[in-house]
Amino acid sequence: SQQGEEDPQALSIQEGENATMNCSYKTSINNLQWYRQNSGRGLVHLILIRSNEREKHSGRLRVTLDTSKKSSSLLITASRAADTASYFCATFRNTGGFKTIFGAGTRLFVKA
Amino acid sequence: EPEVTQTPSHQVTQMGQEVILRCVPISNHLYFYWYRQILGQKVEFLVSFYNNEISEKSEIFDDQFSVERPDGSNFTLKIRSTKLEDSAMYFCASREQGAAEQFFGPGTRLTVL
Repeated sequence: SQQGEEDPQALSIQEGENATMNCSYKTSINNLQWYRQNSGRGLVHLILIRSNEREKHSGRLRVTLDTSKKSSSLLITASRAADTASYFCATFRNTGGFKTIFGAGTRLFVKA
Repeated sequence: EPEVTQTPSHQVTQMGQEVILRCVPISNHLYFYWYRQILGQKVEFLVSFYNNEISEKSEIFDDQFSVERPDGSNFTLKIRSTKLEDSAMYFCASREQGAAEQFFGPGTRLTVL
């Protein structure tokens, strides 16, 4: 079983539309983070939500967390062509070893 | 703004050779990580390192892998005898005490021929 499964796997939208990506996980977590990766590049941290938080905003990003359902969503509002990238959720558990598990990612394509 | 750096950006090696991937974490960070990403796949955790020892490792991190902090600034990943399936992007990350955010380096693309 996979920790941090995103859906959809791929999403294509028009500029100006909102993009919603979902993530599910299986174990308890300390926090959940969303990262962005442009093709062939490194990971950029977008936003972190702690296990005792339900919603968080940062600019055009809105993240929700439902620990009872073990799921999170990332909403990008008023998308731009520059938002085209892969988006990963990552769960962090302090098991003594500080392990972060990434999901498979959602590839977002925003058409101009 | 401080950032994690990695060298080289691209390493090509023959199967069976040893490679050392280098990372310079952000200077006041105490937790260090290596991840890998096979082309088109997800980012996989390899190992975390704190207080000069491995704090956790994945099943991928077998005896062929080792990590070291040889001095106060570098953090290295060594693969003793590379296999074709080791070809991937390798990312280093660091985190400061008490913070949850990890800062990632730009990655090293390892190609094993």
